[in-house]
Amino acid sequence: NAGVTQTPKFQVLKTGQSMTLQCAQDMNHNSMYWYRQDPGMGLRLIYYSASEGTTDKGEVPNGYNVSRLNKREFSLRLESAAPSQTSVYFCASSEPDRTIMNTEAFFGQGTRLTVV
Amino acid sequence: GIQVEQSPPDLILQEGANSTLRCNFSDSVNNLQWFHQNPWGQLINLFYIPSGTKQNGRLSATTVATERYSLLYISSSQTTDSGVYFCAVEQGFQKLVFGTGTRLLVSP
Repeated sequence: NAGVTQTPKFQVLKTGQSMTLQCAQDMNHNSMYWYRQDPGMGLRLIYYSASEGTTDKGEVPNGYNVSRLNKREFSLRLESAAPSQTSVYFCASSEPDRTIMNTEAFFGQGTRLTVV
Repeated sequence: GIQVEQSPPDLILQEGANSTLRCNFSDSVNNLQWFHQNPWGQLINLFYIPSGTKQNGRLSATTVATERYSLLYISSSQTTDSGVYFCAVEQGFQKLVFGTGTRLLVSP
């Protein structure tokens, strides 16, 4: 039971390059999220997907796009990377239990992205 | 939006000491989680605690939702407890808002 798996773990991009960060979960969760963590700060929500086929903007969506490919997979795309997007990116998933409102989130191991 | 403040920002302990970390939030929340980010950057779930008290080994947590705070207790600290402790609250359905964390260093 791997939980939430992200690839790659590390990536260096040149300004203007594009790339996609991959995330997959094997917990059969409905909801998935992408966060970024900048040095000395907590995590900030980029985009989330409440269920397969839906996506919504979080706190810091500019410069990113997402795709909820199926229930297991949620990808984050940088179309034209900028140095300000240097950060550690975390994917998470949760299973909202509407009867008791249990929405505990579980996180992947992170992707460390550097844009030069 | 909701504000989540953690204190202290930094904490240095000798191995074996006890500590209390605090999380204050500015509005009512649905749920609250505590995480430990280890020195390798991994986020580890500690507690899912919208209210009440929970214990797991040397760690325990208490959330008083009506007074908008949560406490994380670490007893008999070990060097492996080092890292950053985050509190995160749920504002609106399914959206976790993180505090800026408490950085803990436990020295032998």
